[in-house]
Amino acid sequence: AQSVTQLGSHVSVSEGALVLLRCNYSSSVPPYLFWYVQYPNQGLQLLLKYTSAATLVKGINGFEAEFKKSETSFHLTKPSAHMSDAAEYFCAVSDRVSGTYKYIFGTGTRLKVLA
Amino acid sequence: NAGVTQTPKFQVLKTGQSMTLQCAQDMNHNSMYWYRQDPGMGLRLIYYSASEGTTDKGEVPNGYNVSRLNKREFSLRLESAAPSQTSVYFCASKTSNGNNSPLHFGNGTRLTVT
Repeated sequence: AQSVTQLGSHVSVSEGALVLLRCNYSSSVPPYLFWYVQYPNQGLQLLLKYTSAATLVKGINGFEAEFKKSETSFHLTKPSAHMSDAAEYFCAVSDRVSGTYKYIFGTGTRLKVLA
Repeated sequence: NAGVTQTPKFQVLKTGQSMTLQCAQDMNHNSMYWYRQDPGMGLRLIYYSASEGTTDKGEVPNGYNVSRLNKREFSLRLESAAPSQTSVYFCASKTSNGNNSPLHFGNGTRLTVT
């Protein structure tokens, strides 16, 4: 079964600094990868998804992620953090199990943005 | 443009009580899911329904039952609540069984079992 690992359960950055949230996956076939964001007391919202069309994927709110097969990574970045980016971020992979596609989520990274 | 609607938003139960969490989507999605979210554990799949009329167990189904009432509605039932079921529960849906369809989430139900 596939899995995802998010390094760092908490990340703090200063406003205006680079945001880098790490995600590594395990997969024997081309994966379908996703990043979701969760704001307090809300459900998860899709930030971006990788579907093999391009290795650099642009998402909403200025976020992007780069798929690196050699490193089995799909790290999320944003050049300049805003206070409004404070949230929890989840990496996920779509896995086929018994003929059905299901998502496998990482344990999440909580991003704190310092003024 | 409601998307995925979950009720109730908050619930407190005593050990042994039962309750049903409701979920409805208005996006004509075929597949629906129930997850629980616990600190440091991400989201874990409880049950899912790949299409109307079918349900299957996920990663942590013990203590739960589900009903896919129709294409729009997918409910989660706790027959005899336990403190270990204290969690935030999310319902989600997606268009089909395809592997790159994104999930759409409700805002969650916060359940406390005392």
